[in-house]
Formats: sequence, structure tokens, C-alpha cells
Amino acid sequence: QSALTQPRSVSGSPGQSVTISCTGTSSDVGGYSYVSWYQQHPGKTPKVMIYDVTKRPSAVPDRFSGSKSGNTASLTISGLQAEDEADYYCCSYAGSYTYVFGTGTQVTVL
Amino acid sequence: EVQLVESGGGSGQPGGSLRLSCAASGFTFSNYEMNWVRQAPGKGLEWVAYIRKGGDSIKYADSVKGRFTISRDNARNSLYLQMNSLRAEDTAFYYCARDGPPDVWGRGTLVTVSS
Repeated sequence: QSALTQPRSVSGSPGQSVTISCTGTSSDVGGYSYVSWYQQHPGKTPKVMIYDVTKRPSAVPDRFSGSKSGNTASLTISGLQAEDEADYYCCSYAGSYTYVFGTGTQVTVL
Repeated sequence: EVQLVESGGGSGQPGGSLRLSCAASGFTFSNYEMNWVRQAPGKGLEWVAYIRKGGDSIKYADSVKGRFTISRDNARNSLYLQMNSLRAEDTAFYYCARDGPPDVWGRGTLVTVSS
């Protein structure tokens, strides 16, 4: 049950695109299509931004997109906006009804 | 409105016990798997425990196995977490979360373990 690996921080200017990686193993990220991404502002509850690797809840802007290649999932934020500054976490199903979260990435809008 | 509301957090001593509750509303509770997720202050998210719709399958993170017990009462639309043999490292916000990976989260309840 080791945490998925994410970069500690990423940054970009308004309007730019940033991509956050989430690296696991064939027992979690690589083995299932159940990866979600969460946005968490300070002091707030996590909010789901992407689920099932690529699906986006209706209330989430289409600037957010997800993908997966092998054991690595990715979240891309296109057209970065000030309100996107937050912590982001990935989460994957890891088999036998267990789940594992990523280490978290702080996104800074310059 | 879909809502999860946790309660029962507070201060506990090392070796002590606490019981968390989560009240669900706005959806058919018995149709969903449920999880507990925690977050130590200033740290990342950690999956804690899972329970299937009917309560017939339960899983725990290694860090809490043998000390925590997850349960549910579908008639009361409620989820529980019995926390025994508390340790300082159990200090965290505890979130009740629907489905897995979670799609709906409660606001969390803070558990502080200190002597």
C-alpha cells in the first residue's frame, strides 16, 4: 500500500497548461481504469475533478482532462486560472476493495 | 442534495478509543460502497477503510488493521468507524466518502490523539 508518486509542485502562468503525473504500479494505476483526481483548496474538502481516468463531472470546467499510459496517470489543466491554485491528489483502485492516494501536488499560478 | 456529515471527533488519549459516525442523505445509502479517508494536518490523503453495500466485505489500510472497525447501518443511513488503541499518528481529519475512488466527501471531523 505505497502511495502513488506525484511531483511535489508544479507552476504555470495564467493561460498556460500544466500536467501532473501520478505514477503507480501494475497493481494499481496500470491494472485498472479507476483513477480519480481531486482538487483541495486550503481548509476545504477534496473535490473530484476527474474519475475513471478520463471522465469529468458536469460541473468541472473542460480545462481539466485526464489520461493514462501504463502505470502513470496524468491530469492536465489547460488555460490555467488563478482559482486553479490548490493541492491536487490522484487516487487509484488497488484491487481487493482497497484504494491508494497519491502524494499530492501543489499547483501554483504565477 | 447529496450530503455526508461526520461526527464524533475530538481528543483521545494514546491507547484510548473514539467512535466516528457519518450521516448520509440525498441518495440511496444502501446502494453505495463507503470509505473512510484521513488527512493529517498539513499532510496528504490516506485511504483508511472500505465497506461494501451490504457490509459483507470490509478492507483496511495496514496502518489501522486490527485497531479500527468500519461498519454501517443501512436502515439508519449511517456509516461508523470504531477507533481503538489510538496512536499519536492517528491524529487527522477523518472524511466519510461515498464509493471508490470517492465521488462525494463529507466535511470531515478532527481526531486528535495526545496525552
